[in-house]
Amino acid sequence: DQQVKQNSPSLSVQEGRISILNCDYTNSMFDYFLWYKKYPAEGPTFLISISSIKDKNEDGRFTVFLNKSAKHLSLHIVPSQPGDSAVYFCAASDSGGGADGLTFGKGTHLIIQP
Amino acid sequence: DTGVSQNPRHKITKRGQNVTFRCDPISEHNRLYWYRQTLGQGPEFLTYFQNEAQLEKSRLLSDRFSAERPKGSFSTLEIQRTEQGDSAMYLCASSPGTDGYTFGSGTRLTVV
Repeated sequence: DQQVKQNSPSLSVQEGRISILNCDYTNSMFDYFLWYKKYPAEGPTFLISISSIKDKNEDGRFTVFLNKSAKHLSLHIVPSQPGDSAVYFCAASDSGGGADGLTFGKGTHLIIQP
Repeated sequence: DTGVSQNPRHKITKRGQNVTFRCDPISEHNRLYWYRQTLGQGPEFLTYFQNEAQLEKSRLLSDRFSAERPKGSFSTLEIQRTEQGDSAMYLCASSPGTDGYTFGSGTRLTVV
């Protein structure tokens, strides 16, 4: 049973436009959410996180939005750059702060086209 | 390089053999995690340590799997009597206990 779902296996976006990656979760105990980026042959790299007490967190070109009532979060990348082409994983934790084990989605492969 | 280091990067083994992987975390991080990732899936949590204590184990970690972190520094993950279903990328990560982990590049295991 997938508790964290990323329903789009891939997404293609033109360079300079906005990329929106979506994530849904089913476990109402999740209170901390993270996004990771992964290049081939490398481990995932932490991008941005959000606590359930917030509905938005921003870091440079990356913004994460959380809609608790819909159990939905999204990652916005503006403007999209070629180096953003990677697999993006949504992850969630029910232990506060993400210090314990994380539950990951299957990932979305983002392709930025020139 | 002060990142998380994993060795070996690749391991090919015959079914039924034992394998051991090593992870060297970022030195000041007291938490260390093991995850497994198969093709088309996200990383799946296996176990984690706070210092030398193993605090949580996933039900994915069958009795053929054992992890240790002696002295709270590096960690090893051993798989006994490997099966083809054990073929995966094994990822190690470390954390100071707060925001986000730092992952290593992983060990890719192929069981033939």
